Amino acid sequence: AQKVTQAQTEISVVEKEDVTLDCVYETRDTTYYLFWYKQPPSGELVFLIRRNSFDEQNEISGRYSWNFQKSTSSFNFTITASQVVDSAVYFCALSQTGNQFYFGTGTSLTVIP
Amino acid sequence: ETGVTQTPRHLVMGMTNKKSLKCEQHLGHNAMYWYKQSAKKPLELMFVYSLEERVENNSVPSRFSPECPNSSHLFLHLHTLQPEDSALYLCASSQDQGVFGTVGELFFGEGSRLTVL
Repeated sequence: AQKVTQAQTEISVVEKEDVTLDCVYETRDTTYYLFWYKQPPSGELVFLIRRNSFDEQNEISGRYSWNFQKSTSSFNFTITASQVVDSAVYFCALSQTGNQFYFGTGTSLTVIP
Repeated sequence: ETGVTQTPRHLVMGMTNKKSLKCEQHLGHNAMYWYKQSAKKPLELMFVYSLEERVENNSVPSRFSPECPNSSHLFLHLHTLQPEDSALYLCASSQDQGVFGTVGELFFGEGSRLTVL
């Protein structure tokens, strides 16, 4: 069975602090894809990153970085020097095929000025 | 400007009404989706259309009826809904390359906030 767990329901940090959002997944497939999405108050989920199961290199994009560890089935997301605009709900997702995606329950991040 | 447009953004309806949600994608994708988002729950996949054919229907009640007239448009027809159907309904599109291809990311619209009285 496929499953994505985001254990952190809500996180609050003060602006400029670093914050890590956890994502743990379950799958029996050897080929799969992991995603992170951001949902601001407007409602639209915005794609942040896609990672396939054969690429365990960590990735950095500006203040965002992702740590993919197959050994622990985790795909954690870190925001460095957080800003108020980072306040949103963040979703982790898993997919093996082209049209079936499994989402976590999301982590609501509040960055306090 | 988003590549996936949903209308209306907000809808209030009684349990006996019939209404429709509309989604349009301008990205040239070949797959479109309806998701339901309720508080404290994972996104629930309702319907998938790939190449205009329905691929999966996850036991959604028949009071929800999808329609995909072409690869750019997707509708969700609503009939005799229940108050528990109140939620944010999200449309998404992607480029489906089949089971042997790369999984493309979903592109979402801003959602239609539905309230059933």
